[in-house]
Amino acid sequence: GESVGLHLPTLSVQEGDNSIINCAYSNSASDYFIWYKQESGKGPQFIIDIRSNMDKRQGQRVTVLLNKTVKHLSLQIAATQPGDSAVYFCAENDAGNNRKLIWGLGTSLAVNP
Amino acid sequence: DTEVTQTPKHLVMGMTNKKSLKCEQHMGHRAMYWYKQKAKKPPELMFVYSYEKLSINESVPSRFSPECPNSSLLNLHLHALQPEDSALYLCASSQSGGGQGYYGYTFGSGTRLTVV
Repeated sequence: GESVGLHLPTLSVQEGDNSIINCAYSNSASDYFIWYKQESGKGPQFIIDIRSNMDKRQGQRVTVLLNKTVKHLSLQIAATQPGDSAVYFCAENDAGNNRKLIWGLGTSLAVNP
Repeated sequence: DTEVTQTPKHLVMGMTNKKSLKCEQHMGHRAMYWYKQKAKKPPELMFVYSYEKLSINESVPSRFSPECPNSSLLNLHLHALQPEDSALYLCASSQSGGGQGYYGYTFGSGTRLTVV
C-alpha cells in the first residue's frame, strides 16, 4: 500500500505487504530528514534518518528515499507487521532556521491481519 | 541508559493550580526540548535548552515556565493554565547543543495533561 503526500493521512495495508509512506517537504535549505513512529500513548520513536548528500538509506525492514529534485521523502516498510501500526511523521531539519525541526502532518498506518 | 524519562505520566490540574512536569536523561545530550502535542497533530516546539541555557522560546505564554537545573534535568512549571492547554507534553533530547541538532532526537513518553 502507498500513501500520497499529506492528502491521504490514513494508510491501510495487509500484514506481510510492503508499505510506502510519502512526505513532501518545502524548504530547499533542509539538509537532514528524519522519520518517526508514534504509537498510541507514546512519544515519537526515531526510525531512520537521511542527510541531503544521500538519496537512499536502509535500516532493518525500513528504507528511506530522498528525491531533492521534487522535494519528496518516502519511508518503505517491508513485510509490514501488526506492530508497525502507528502514526508516522517525517521531519526536516532546517539549516537556515536555527536547525528547527519542521514536522509533516503524519500518516496513520493500520495493518490488517 | 538510552531513555528520556518523564514524570508524571498523567496529570489533572485545575486552572488555579501550580504544577511541574519533569524530564530526565542520562545520555550526555546537551540539548533538551519541550514539545506540546494535540491529538492527531504533530508535536509543536515550545522551548529549547542548549548547554543548560534557554536558546529558543516559541512565543509560549508565560503560564508555561521552563527550567533546566543541570544538563540532565528539564522542568516545565505550569500556572494558571486554560482548558485548551490540555495536551500531551513531550520532552526530547539530542546530542548537539547548537539549537536543534543534526542528530536524531530521543523523546520521552510524555505527560498527558488535562486542565479542568
